[in-house]
Amino acid sequence: DGGITQSPKYLFRKEGQNVTLSCEQNLNHDAMYWYRQDPGQGLRLIYYSQIVNDFQKGDIAEGYSVSREKKESFPLTVTSAQKNPTAFYLCASIQGWGRTEAFFGQGTRLTVV
Amino acid sequence: AQSVTQPDIHITVSEGASLELRCNYSYGATPYLFWYVQSPGQGLQLLLKYFSGDTLVQGIKGFEAEFKRSQSSFNLRKPSVHWSDAAEYFCAVAANRDDKIIFGKGTRLHILP
Repeated sequence: DGGITQSPKYLFRKEGQNVTLSCEQNLNHDAMYWYRQDPGQGLRLIYYSQIVNDFQKGDIAEGYSVSREKKESFPLTVTSAQKNPTAFYLCASIQGWGRTEAFFGQGTRLTVV
Repeated sequence: AQSVTQPDIHITVSEGASLELRCNYSYGATPYLFWYVQSPGQGLQLLLKYFSGDTLVQGIKGFEAEFKRSQSSFNLRKPSVHWSDAAEYFCAVAANRDDKIIFGKGTRLHILP
């Protein structure tokens, strides 16, 4: 079955460590997105990529980094520069070029202690 | 830049009652509009979308939404809610078919038995 997979579902890290969240899709979608969700804040856009080897900052990119070396994969690194990294992270993919509907993964809950 | 406002953070309705969740957007042209639903700890599922044409759109699970250009609104409705509709609902907008999708802060729906 086609879909978008985020792993792991739960992730714990010590403060000061970088951590990478995985997002893989087999939908052959061109665009991929990372959102952060906090209670009462809705979904805030971190980074997005419309095409392989290209990505743009969203509204809250500081302290995060991404890469898009393959169409299927869009990993997100939460760096030690992110001041408040504990959150629920959602990855989405969109077919691109006119097909704007986003398909979401099940999310990764990151807790930094 | 486009934005989305969901004025109600929480809504409580009795099972079997009708439902309307409000969404207002800020954008000059006709944007692409979406409603998504999220169960706790899960990703988002698309309920319905509006790109053009008939301003009343039907979605899954018995939901519908009406686009009103004069009011910059895209309210979600359901004639009779079920206990399983308890979830968080997000309105979203994209400026055009290739633009990023921006989400509102969400409305949490509670159902009274």
